[in-house]
Amino acid sequence: NAGVTQTPKFRVLKTGQSMTLLCAQDMNHEYMYWYRQDPGMGLRLIHYSVGEGTTAKGEVPDGYNVSRLKKQNFLLGLESAAPSQTSVYFCASSYPPPWETQYFGPGTRLLVL
Amino acid sequence: KQEVTQIPAALSVPEGENLVLNCSFTDSAIYNLQWFRQDPGKGLTSLLLIQSSQREQTSGRLNASLDKSSGRSTLYIAASQPGDSATYLCAVSDRDDKIIFGKGTRLHILP
Repeated sequence: NAGVTQTPKFRVLKTGQSMTLLCAQDMNHEYMYWYRQDPGMGLRLIHYSVGEGTTAKGEVPDGYNVSRLKKQNFLLGLESAAPSQTSVYFCASSYPPPWETQYFGPGTRLLVL
Repeated sequence: KQEVTQIPAALSVPEGENLVLNCSFTDSAIYNLQWFRQDPGKGLTSLLLIQSSQREQTSGRLNASLDKSSGRSTLYIAASQPGDSATYLCAVSDRDDKIIFGKGTRLHILP
């Protein structure tokens, strides 16, 4: 099992460019999450999904969109990147509550110039 | 709004000592609480998960306790080793399917 994988590992964008981050899990988890991690801010939830075809906003959703067309994949899109979106992005997946150990991917480092 | 606080932000202790990391949360209506470890430049690894109905969980040298009524959890590490050096984060899962993280405690074990 690969667990949770993220693509790409690192990316540099110019302001205004768009990109999609891909998260894939092979554990048949219903729930998937996208977080960003910034120094001094901890992990903050961007969007999450409780099943295929569903998405919901987290704590910091502005400037991001997501899609969950397949159960194993959760895509995070930046339509017009801004320097404030420079961060490390983590994807995670889990079974539904209450048995909710989260499994994290290795992260994607994004630099927006 | 649920808030999770971890104190201290950083901690250095000599190898072999026992230590306690603290986590507090403002809303006791949680599903569970998790403790994670994060090594520099890496993702998070789940260490222990405590359900809201449980008081503690143990794994090897780690013991996590939960006092839901007072909004507190502790992670106890016995006989610390240099390999325990990492950032430790706690997170609570609320009834709206969200997971809220603390900012972590950066632990350094001195050889």
